[in-house]
Amino acid sequence: DGGITQSPKYLFRKEGQNVTLSCEQNLNHDAMYWYRQDPGQGLRLIYYSQIVNDFQKGDIAEGYSVSREKKESFPLTVTSAQKNPTAFYLCASSAVVTDTQYFGPGTRLTVL
Amino acid sequence: QQQVKQSPQSLIVQKGGISIINCAYENTAFDYFPWYQQFPGKGPALLIAIRPDVSEKKEGRFTISFNKSAKQFSLHIMDSQPGDSATYFCAARGIYNTDKLIFGTGTRLQVFP
Repeated sequence: DGGITQSPKYLFRKEGQNVTLSCEQNLNHDAMYWYRQDPGQGLRLIYYSQIVNDFQKGDIAEGYSVSREKKESFPLTVTSAQKNPTAFYLCASSAVVTDTQYFGPGTRLTVL
Repeated sequence: QQQVKQSPQSLIVQKGGISIINCAYENTAFDYFPWYQQFPGKGPALLIAIRPDVSEKKEGRFTISFNKSAKQFSLHIMDSQPGDSATYFCAARGIYNTDKLIFGTGTRLQVFP
């Protein structure tokens, strides 16, 4: 069953803690993305990766970090430097950057 | 120039009616315009997409109308059903292989029986 999986579905974090969100895809896609979604706002790009061991900052990268050690995995770390981390986080992938993006089910992060 | 402006923010339609969501852009280098549908608590899913070489694309009850000169495109949902209730996002992307999708702010559609 091909697709994109994100875990966990819900995540709670105390202020000052780093937390890592998982994203895995078995679509053999080269490009992967992380978006943040807040109520009433569109999807804002955090980071994206066009190929293994390479990634670029998106529009709101401050307070986040990523790695791309494997083609199928693109974990996102929300650091304590992110001032307002409570949001719905979406991972996506595409065959190449110019191709259709497919989204995972999302992770809802709540900072307590 | 990188923005995609979407309206309305919310839309209430009766079952069987037509839902219309509009988007406008300024960057003439955009050449791919997809629409995504998102149900609560889920990730967005590609609904339908158009390129500027056609003025209209229809898939079932969903139609994209594209006006290149006005730099506008819209989604029409015919015979709207309660199951269409979701948030709809328009998006646009440029012609260069490093260009990324730019999303509109979304429209929450509610279809009442």
